[in-house]
Amino acid sequence: DAGVIQSPRHEVTEMGQEVTLRCKPISGHNSLFWYRQTMMRGLELLIYFNNNVPIDDSGMPEDRFSAKMPNASFSTLKIQPSEPRDSAVYFCASSSEGTVHEKLFFGSGTQLSVL
Amino acid sequence: GDSVTQMEGPVTLSEEAFLTINCTYTATGYPSLFWYVQYPGEGLQLLLKATKADDKGSNKGFEATYRKETTSFHLEKGSVQVSDSAVYFCALSLNDYKLSFGAGTTVTVRA
Repeated sequence: DAGVIQSPRHEVTEMGQEVTLRCKPISGHNSLFWYRQTMMRGLELLIYFNNNVPIDDSGMPEDRFSAKMPNASFSTLKIQPSEPRDSAVYFCASSSEGTVHEKLFFGSGTQLSVL
Repeated sequence: GDSVTQMEGPVTLSEEAFLTINCTYTATGYPSLFWYVQYPGEGLQLLLKATKADDKGSNKGFEATYRKETTSFHLEKGSVQVSDSAVYFCALSLNDYKLSFGAGTTVTVRA
């Protein structure tokens, strides 16, 4: 299996632009997570999907952030408009059961820089 | 709220040295505890876990014991290799699907 695939690996954009991050979870996994990693705040859970349905989006910072999972093999995280403080590494992770007691498989992340 | 605190890095060691990374937790209940590892340029991987007091998690020569009396889950390895260079994260379960991660400890092993 190719693992969790994220694209792009790096994204540099200007403040005010729309940014879309993409994730393909491991086939057969029914739970998907978006995390953000920054020096200041560490790793934060942004949103959790189970069977394509958002279960917990309490970590989404504000209305500028939105996430979708139109099918079991694809998810997007969109920031519109982007701001410099959104600069971070964004990770997508998937698991087969959605519980922390099952392994979370992380993608390699998208390094986002907003200028 | 429930959280973990892990020792700050960076930590630099020579090959075959003993490694300890301290992690303590604050929790109202009885969370599960985890160590995740992030190798350069990669996402996090589960290294080991423990679900209740006195459990010992182990993997790849690493060990950690869930100590309720000291609210700790320290990571240890007796003889590190260059390939162990990575960032190590302690974490606890907040609920069935949510983890609270520590800040991470960067470990560099020199040949």
